[in-house]
Amino acid sequence: DGGITQSPKYLFRKEGQNVTLSCEQNLNHDAMYWYRQDPGQGLRLIYYSQIVNDFQKGDIAEGYSVSREKKESFPLTVTSAQKNPTAFYLCASSPTSPTVDEQYFGPGTRLTVT
Amino acid sequence: AQTVTQSQPEMSVQEAETVTLSCTYDTSESDYYLFWYKQPPSRQMILVIRQEAYKQQNATENRFSVNFQKAAKSFSLKISDSQLGDAAMYFCAYISPGGTSYGKLTFGQGTILTVHP
Repeated sequence: DGGITQSPKYLFRKEGQNVTLSCEQNLNHDAMYWYRQDPGQGLRLIYYSQIVNDFQKGDIAEGYSVSREKKESFPLTVTSAQKNPTAFYLCASSPTSPTVDEQYFGPGTRLTVT
Repeated sequence: AQTVTQSQPEMSVQEAETVTLSCTYDTSESDYYLFWYKQPPSRQMILVIRQEAYKQQNATENRFSVNFQKAAKSFSLKISDSQLGDAAMYFCAYISPGGTSYGKLTFGQGTILTVHP
Protein backbone atom coordinates (compact mmCIF):
# COMPACT_ATOMS: atom_id res chain seq x y z
CA ASP A 1 0.00 0.00 0.00
CA GLY A 2 1.18 3.50 -0.78
CA GLY A 3 1.57 5.97 2.01
CA ILE A 4 3.78 7.98 4.32
CA THR A 5 5.65 6.44 7.20
CA GLN A 6 7.16 8.26 10.12
CA SER A 7 9.36 6.64 12.69
CA PRO A 8 9.48 6.28 15.53
CA LYS A 9 5.98 7.00 16.87
CA TYR A 10 7.39 8.19 20.21
CA LEU A 11 10.86 9.64 20.74
CA PHE A 12 12.54 10.71 23.94
CA ARG A 13 15.74 12.76 24.13
CA LYS A 14 17.77 14.64 26.67
CA GLU A 15 18.10 18.37 26.37
CA GLY A 16 21.13 19.38 24.33
CA GLN A 17 21.02 16.41 21.98
CA ASN A 18 20.18 16.60 18.30
CA VAL A 19 17.53 14.17 17.09
CA THR A 20 16.44 13.15 13.60
CA LEU A 21 12.85 12.27 12.70
CA SER A 22 12.31 10.02 9.72
CA CYS A 23 9.74 10.54 6.95
CA GLU A 24 9.43 8.22 3.95
CA GLN A 25 6.82 8.18 1.20
CA ASN A 26 6.17 5.71 -1.63
CA LEU A 27 3.52 7.81 -3.35
CA ASN A 28 5.97 9.21 -5.92
CA HIS A 29 5.13 12.70 -4.72
CA ASP A 30 7.39 15.62 -5.60
CA ALA A 31 6.67 17.86 -2.62
CA MET A 32 7.19 17.05 1.06
CA TYR A 33 6.51 19.06 4.21
CA TRP A 34 7.22 19.10 7.93
CA TYR A 35 4.73 20.53 10.42
CA ARG A 36 4.80 21.03 14.15
CA GLN A 37 1.64 20.71 16.26
CA ASP A 38 1.38 22.05 19.81
CA PRO A 39 -1.64 21.69 22.14
CA GLY A 40 -4.37 24.18 21.31
CA GLN A 41 -2.68 25.29 18.13
CA GLY A 42 -2.96 24.40 14.51
CA LEU A 43 -0.18 22.96 12.42
CA ARG A 44 2.75 25.23 11.70
CA LEU A 45 5.06 24.72 8.74
CA ILE A 46 8.72 24.08 9.56
CA TYR A 47 10.28 23.26 6.19
CA TYR A 48 9.11 22.16 2.79
CA SER A 49 10.72 20.71 -0.30
CA GLN A 50 9.32 20.92 -3.80
CA ILE A 51 12.05 18.87 -5.48
CA VAL A 52 15.04 16.72 -4.64
CA ASN A 53 18.07 18.64 -3.37
CA ASP A 54 16.01 21.77 -2.74
CA PHE A 55 14.04 22.96 0.30
CA GLN A 56 12.70 26.17 1.78
CA LYS A 57 12.12 27.46 5.28
CA GLY A 58 8.58 27.58 6.56
CA ASP A 59 7.20 29.79 9.31
CA ILE A 60 9.14 28.29 12.23
CA ALA A 61 12.42 26.93 10.80
CA GLU A 62 14.74 28.17 13.57
CA GLY A 63 16.41 25.27 15.38
CA TYR A 64 15.53 22.74 12.68
CA SER A 65 17.32 21.39 9.61
CA VAL A 66 16.31 19.09 6.75
CA SER A 67 17.74 17.32 3.74
CA ARG A 68 16.17 15.99 0.54
CA GLU A 69 18.69 13.67 -1.07
CA LYS A 70 16.05 11.25 -2.34
CA LYS A 71 12.54 11.84 -3.61
CA GLU A 72 11.14 9.36 -1.10
CA SER A 73 12.82 10.73 2.02
CA PHE A 74 12.69 14.02 3.91
CA PRO A 75 14.29 13.69 7.37
CA LEU A 76 13.97 16.46 9.95
CA THR A 77 16.70 17.16 12.51
CA VAL A 78 15.71 18.93 15.69
CA THR A 79 18.87 20.61 16.90
CA SER A 80 19.84 21.68 20.39
CA ALA A 81 19.19 25.27 19.26
CA GLN A 82 15.43 24.62 19.20
CA LYS A 83 14.24 26.12 22.48
CA ASN A 84 11.00 24.18 22.88
CA PRO A 85 11.37 20.95 20.91
CA THR A 86 8.72 18.91 22.72
CA ALA A 87 5.82 18.65 20.26
CA PHE A 88 4.01 16.42 17.80
CA TYR A 89 5.64 16.42 14.36
CA LEU A 90 3.77 15.62 11.17
CA CYS A 91 5.23 14.93 7.75
CA ALA A 92 3.17 15.37 4.59
CA SER A 93 3.54 15.08 0.84
CA SER A 94 1.66 16.24 -2.24
CA PRO A 95 1.72 15.03 -5.83
CA THR A 96 3.02 17.99 -7.79
CA SER A 97 5.02 21.06 -7.16
CA PRO A 98 4.07 23.83 -7.04
CA THR A 99 0.69 22.63 -5.99
CA VAL A 100 -2.61 23.30 -4.44
CA ASP A 101 -3.34 19.61 -4.28
CA GLU A 102 -4.38 17.78 -1.18
CA GLN A 103 -1.53 17.03 1.20
CA TYR A 104 -1.25 13.48 2.50
CA PHE A 105 -0.07 13.12 6.07
CA GLY A 106 1.95 10.55 7.93
CA PRO A 107 0.96 9.22 11.38
CA GLY A 108 3.29 11.64 13.20
CA THR A 109 6.08 11.43 15.78
CA ARG A 110 5.66 12.60 19.35
CA LEU A 111 9.00 14.06 20.54
CA THR A 112 9.63 14.62 24.23
CA VAL A 113 12.78 16.38 25.34
CA THR A 114 13.64 16.48 29.04
CA ALA B 1 -0.09 37.25 5.32
CA GLN B 2 -2.90 34.81 5.05
CA THR B 3 -4.60 33.84 8.30
CA VAL B 4 -7.22 31.25 9.16
CA THR B 5 -9.38 31.60 12.27
CA GLN B 6 -11.56 29.01 13.93
CA SER B 7 -13.46 30.78 16.70
CA GLN B 8 -14.94 27.65 18.31
CA PRO B 9 -12.32 25.78 20.37
CA GLU B 10 -14.88 23.09 21.22
CA MET B 11 -18.28 21.97 19.93
CA SER B 12 -20.57 19.13 20.84
CA VAL B 13 -23.45 17.38 19.10
CA GLN B 14 -25.85 14.56 19.76
CA GLU B 15 -25.54 11.49 17.61
CA ALA B 16 -27.71 11.78 14.44
CA GLU B 17 -27.96 15.57 14.82
CA THR B 18 -26.36 18.27 12.69
CA VAL B 19 -23.47 20.51 13.68
CA THR B 20 -21.73 23.41 11.96
CA LEU B 21 -18.09 24.35 12.50
CA SER B 22 -17.01 27.89 11.65
CA CYS B 23 -13.94 29.15 9.83
CA THR B 24 -12.95 32.57 8.55
CA TYR B 25 -9.87 33.50 6.61
CA ASP B 26 -8.08 36.58 5.45
CA THR B 27 -6.40 36.86 2.07
CA SER B 28 -5.78 39.32 -0.72
CA GLU B 29 -5.60 36.55 -3.31
CA SER B 30 -8.49 35.86 -5.66
CA ASP B 31 -7.52 32.28 -6.46
CA TYR B 32 -7.21 29.88 -3.56
CA TYR B 33 -8.41 26.60 -2.13
CA LEU B 34 -9.91 25.76 1.23
CA PHE B 35 -9.89 22.47 3.06
CA TRP B 36 -11.32 20.82 6.15
CA TYR B 37 -9.10 18.20 7.72
CA LYS B 38 -10.11 15.80 10.48
CA GLN B 39 -7.69 14.60 13.16
CA PRO B 40 -9.15 11.75 15.25
CA PRO B 41 -7.53 10.52 18.48
CA SER B 42 -5.08 8.49 16.39
CA ARG B 43 -3.75 11.91 15.24
CA GLN B 44 -3.77 10.87 11.59
CA MET B 45 -4.80 13.88 9.49
CA ILE B 46 -7.58 13.02 7.05
CA LEU B 47 -8.95 15.27 4.32
CA VAL B 48 -12.70 15.75 4.74
CA ILE B 49 -13.59 18.17 1.97
CA ARG B 50 -12.07 20.82 -0.32
CA GLN B 51 -13.45 23.92 -2.04
CA GLU B 52 -12.01 25.84 -4.95
CA ALA B 53 -12.58 29.58 -4.58
CA TYR B 54 -13.54 30.01 -8.22
CA LYS B 55 -16.45 27.59 -7.83
CA GLN B 56 -19.67 29.13 -6.60
CA GLN B 57 -21.23 25.77 -5.81
CA ASN B 58 -20.63 24.53 -2.29
CA ALA B 59 -18.70 21.26 -2.05
CA THR B 60 -20.36 18.18 -0.55
CA GLU B 61 -19.01 14.78 0.44
CA ASN B 62 -21.70 12.44 1.73
CA ARG B 63 -22.70 13.78 5.17
CA PHE B 64 -20.22 16.67 4.99
CA SER B 65 -20.94 19.94 3.22
CA VAL B 66 -19.57 23.45 3.29
CA ASN B 67 -21.09 26.91 3.22
CA PHE B 68 -18.56 28.97 1.28
CA GLN B 69 -19.17 32.72 1.41
CA LYS B 70 -16.34 34.27 -0.61
CA ALA B 71 -17.22 37.91 -0.01
CA ALA B 72 -17.45 37.33 3.73
CA LYS B 73 -14.34 35.08 3.66
CA SER B 74 -16.21 32.41 5.53
CA PHE B 75 -15.96 28.65 5.09
CA SER B 76 -18.09 26.61 7.51
CA LEU B 77 -18.39 22.83 7.67
CA LYS B 78 -21.75 21.16 8.24
CA ILE B 79 -21.85 17.58 9.46
CA SER B 80 -25.24 15.95 9.07
CA ASP B 81 -26.43 12.81 10.86
CA SER B 82 -23.43 12.96 13.19
CA GLN B 83 -21.84 9.66 14.09
CA LEU B 84 -19.62 8.67 17.01
CA GLY B 85 -16.75 8.28 14.56
CA ASP B 86 -16.98 11.96 13.68
CA ALA B 87 -15.51 12.87 17.05
CA ALA B 88 -12.17 14.51 16.31
CA MET B 89 -10.28 17.76 16.03
CA TYR B 90 -11.25 19.57 12.82
CA PHE B 91 -8.91 21.97 11.08
CA CYS B 92 -9.76 24.53 8.44
CA ALA B 93 -6.89 25.20 6.01
CA TYR B 94 -6.09 27.56 3.15
CA ILE B 95 -3.69 27.39 0.24
CA SER B 96 -3.02 29.71 -2.67
CA PRO B 97 -1.10 29.13 -5.89
CA GLY B 98 -0.02 32.77 -5.87
CA GLY B 99 1.44 35.41 -3.63
CA THR B 100 4.14 35.06 -1.02
CA SER B 101 2.55 31.96 0.49
CA TYR B 102 2.77 30.08 -2.80
CA GLY B 103 1.86 26.45 -2.27
CA LYS B 104 1.97 26.66 1.53
CA LEU B 105 -0.93 25.34 3.58
CA THR B 106 -2.09 27.60 6.44
CA PHE B 107 -4.14 26.01 9.24
CA GLY B 108 -6.60 27.36 11.75
CA GLN B 109 -6.30 26.55 15.44
CA GLY B 110 -8.73 23.65 15.29
CA THR B 111 -12.14 22.80 16.79
CA ILE B 112 -12.60 19.77 19.01
CA LEU B 113 -15.88 18.04 18.17
CA THR B 114 -17.49 15.75 20.75
CA VAL B 115 -20.34 13.47 19.69
CA HIS B 116 -22.70 12.31 22.44
CA PRO B 117 -24.56 8.99 22.06
